[in-house]
Amino acid sequence: AQSVTQLGSHVSVSEGALVLLRCNYSSSVPPYLFWYVQYPNQGLQLLLKYTSAATLVKGINGFEAEFKKSETSFHLTKPSAHMSDAAEYFCAVRNAGAGSYQLTFGKGTKLSVIP
Amino acid sequence: ETGVTQSPTHLIKTRGQQVTLRCSSQSGHNTVSWYQQALGQGPQFIFQYYREEENGRGNFPPRFSGLQFPNYSSELNVNALELDDSALYLCASASSGDTQYFGPGTRLTVL
Repeated sequence: AQSVTQLGSHVSVSEGALVLLRCNYSSSVPPYLFWYVQYPNQGLQLLLKYTSAATLVKGINGFEAEFKKSETSFHLTKPSAHMSDAAEYFCAVRNAGAGSYQLTFGKGTKLSVIP
Repeated sequence: ETGVTQSPTHLIKTRGQQVTLRCSSQSGHNTVSWYQQALGQGPQFIFQYYREEENGRGNFPPRFSGLQFPNYSSELNVNALELDDSALYLCASASSGDTQYFGPGTRLTVL
C-alpha cells in the first residue's frame, strides 16, 4: 500500500524567504510523485512531477523538488517566497504501473506568507 | 483547449437524498477519476473510469457509483446521503500520459 506523509500542516514564511515543504512517501514499487497546489475554493493545479527521469524536478512558479530514494522523500522548495504562493500544497504518490491513475495524497500543508 | 469542468459548483442536500455530480473531461482525455476531499484533508480516491468501464475503486461503499459516457464525460452518483458525505468532490481526467488534470470541484453540503 502506498502512503504519503507531509510534515507540518501549517508553514509560515516571510516574503522573500526560502520555502521548504516536506513530503515522505511509502511505496512498494517505483513511484511517480506529484506536488499539487490548491488555492481557496479551487481545484488542484499541478506544480511538478517526478516520473523516474531526473531526480531534481523543476515546476511552475519557481518551485522545484528533489526525489531522494534513500530517504523516501520528495520535498518541495522555492528560493524566495511570494505573497501569491500562499495556498495549500499536496504531495501525492502513484504506482508507476500502467492503467491506473489513482493518486494517494498527503493531508496537505497550508503555506502562509508574511509580508 | 478546454480544461476539466464540473457542475454544479455548489449543492445542498438533506440526509437520505440522492445526488448526481457531473464532469466534462479535458479534450482528448479518455480516463476520468473522482476524488472526495473532506474539509482539512487531502483528496481521497473514489474510482476511475476508462472507456466507460470502472477500472479502479477506492475504499468507498457501493452507494457511490458512476458512469462514463462515449464522449468521456462522467457522472458521480451518491445514494442515501449521509452527513459525512459533505465534501468537495473533484474530478480529474487523463490520457495516455502520467498526469491527471483536476476540475474546480463541486462543494456538496448534506444537512
